[in-house]
Amino acid sequence: KAGVTQTPRYLIKTRGQQVTLSCSPISGHRSVSWYQQTPGQGLQFLFEYFSETQRNKGNFPGRFSGRQFSNSRSEMNVSTLELGDSALYLCASSLSGFDTEAFFGQGTRLTVV
Amino acid sequence: QKEVEQNSGPLSVPEGAIASLNCTYSDRGSQSFFWYRQYSGKSPELIMSIYSNGDKEDGRFTAQLNKASQYVSLLIRDSQPSDSATYLCAVNLNTGGFKTIFGAGTRLFVKA
Repeated sequence: KAGVTQTPRYLIKTRGQQVTLSCSPISGHRSVSWYQQTPGQGLQFLFEYFSETQRNKGNFPGRFSGRQFSNSRSEMNVSTLELGDSALYLCASSLSGFDTEAFFGQGTRLTVV
Repeated sequence: QKEVEQNSGPLSVPEGAIASLNCTYSDRGSQSFFWYRQYSGKSPELIMSIYSNGDKEDGRFTAQLNKASQYVSLLIRDSQPSDSATYLCAVNLNTGGFKTIFGAGTRLFVKA
């Protein structure tokens, strides 16, 4: 059974640009959550999607957005990149989100220069 | 008060000893609790889940949950150098929609 797949693995972008990250969950999983991980802040919750609907959102500016497709694949977008957006972006998939175990992808390492 | 709190460590134990990792959470309505292990440069890996008060054992790992005290812990018996990693406590919050919140993690070093 394939795990959670995130693409790309590494990205280097310039300040002001935008970026789109992709996450393909484990087959049958309908919940996808996104996290930002930095050395100083740890794992910070961005948002969670289930059946193409965003059920919750963390405390991030509107430059961070996401969506989920009918096949449960999810994308997140960051517009007008800032240096502080440099981080490891992780997605986690689970069957339903509530009371179920979540499994992480390998992450996308974003560097903003 | 942070939603999920852990001692950042580092916690250092000798090989073969028991490592005890602790976590407290603020949402009294939380029902699902998880422990993840993260090696440097890797993504978090699920170790244990626990939903009911008491102990749950899986090999060398034991998770303990006390909802009245809003406390969850992870014991690692017969610690090995390969257990050296950051351990993340995660709690599912049901307030205002679903989300899983992670603690900052405890760094564990197992000395050979």
